Amino acid sequence: KQEVTQIPAALSVPEGENLVLNCSFTDSAIYNLQWFRQDPGKGLTSLLLIQSSQREQTSGRLNASLDKSSGRSTLYIAASQPGDSATYLCAVLNTDKLIFGTGTRLQVFP
Amino acid sequence: GAVVSQHPSRVICKSGTSVKIECRSLDFQATTMFWYRQFPKQSLMLMATSNEGSKATYEQGVEKDKFLINHASLTLSTLTVTSAHPEDSSFYICSVPPRSRVSYNEQFFGPGTRLTVL
Repeated sequence: KQEVTQIPAALSVPEGENLVLNCSFTDSAIYNLQWFRQDPGKGLTSLLLIQSSQREQTSGRLNASLDKSSGRSTLYIAASQPGDSATYLCAVLNTDKLIFGTGTRLQVFP
Repeated sequence: GAVVSQHPSRVICKSGTSVKIECRSLDFQATTMFWYRQFPKQSLMLMATSNEGSKATYEQGVEKDKFLINHASLTLSTLTVTSAHPEDSSFYICSVPPRSRVSYNEQFFGPGTRLTVL
């Protein structure tokens, strides 16, 4: 059974810092891995999707890497801003099911 | 990205009533839609897979008679929470993988529905 874990569970940093959020999964037989952002009481916003054959994806200040063999992915956020405050979820696609991680609650203060 | 809508966005009901939540794919057809549930400060858990023209597939531990799913068209799936109780209070989110995507390459999520049962 696929299990997805995210560390840390919560993070509070001052504006401008570079951040690394971690995601680990137990079954390496995945099609892809996605990183999402969720604002309080809101739905999901897709940030980055990494195919199983890829090593990383970049979008603006965000960079996500994938090491399928070790069951790990990281989301790197450069020069964090207060607007980045949200919960970040990673999810892996196993066959036709998307399995979500436990999430990291990020707060960036001015 | 694809546009997925949900209605209502928020609903408050009395215990024992039934609540219907709609998930619509606005700009592409979807033979499959997924329904997730998220309890406060927890992650999303897949409840069921909605299949157009056939029965839904439920995850282990999800009562199919309590959570009725109907996928009547290629753009609409409904989730009905029957005889709702306070423990059903949660955030319900649907997602849609476009038919053109191989192996459900990417899923697009609706904005969610907050259900509160008094």
